[in-house]
Amino acid sequence: EIVLTQSPDFQSVTPKEKVTITCRAIQSIGTDLHWYQQKPGQSPKLLIKSASQSISGVPSRFRGSGSGTDFTLTINSLEPEDGATYYCHQSSSLPWTFGQGTKVEIK
Amino acid sequence: QVQLQESGPGLVKPSQTLSLTCTVSGGSISSGSYYWSWIRQPAGKGLELIGLMYTGGNTNYNPSLKSRVVISQDTSKNQFSLKLNSVTAADTAVYYCARAPAALGERWFDPWGQGTLVTVSS
Repeated sequence: EIVLTQSPDFQSVTPKEKVTITCRAIQSIGTDLHWYQQKPGQSPKLLIKSASQSISGVPSRFRGSGSGTDFTLTINSLEPEDGATYYCHQSSSLPWTFGQGTKVEIK
Repeated sequence: QVQLQESGPGLVKPSQTLSLTCTVSGGSISSGSYYWSWIRQPAGKGLELIGLMYTGGNTNYNPSLKSRVVISQDTSKNQFSLKLNSVTAADTAVYYCARAPAALGERWFDPWGQGTLVTVSS
């Protein structure tokens, strides 16, 4: 199975700061990498699809990039409502897998 | 728009079978090309894919759970179901159903159900 490793596991940030979360796969997955945001008590919400494609209704401050084995989720100018756990997910090879999550705390 | 809703017992005894149903509204599970999926999340932990059922009924299960899992569908009710047998406390989790397009390069989970907590305890 393809293991996805996110870093960092936790980040405490101030509003308006820039946040960068990375997701690394143990083998190339092309751009079959997607990002989700999960707030406490809620189900995950699709944030970015296919590494860098935006989702309708998701603020433009959320950007994805990367291909192959290294991917990045960037949150430009963090808003208070962005406090959540972020997960990457690969659908290149079964079983599809998720990263362990990155918790972003708002200071 | 398509919506998914999980239902089933919130408490299951060890060694018994966990049974959950996902009811789909706003679209048919028999049409299009999708993977109808079950995903779980233990408290405070990450997400784990349990298995997928392609439109039409073909299934694929996570090897870590394959010997204990069955995903099936009831097209007359527009539902798909999860059965996980021989459960232990390690199966305690929030269980989500979700849909993913089946087209290559488009296999992301959206939408998700709200999730249902299943506790395994005597």
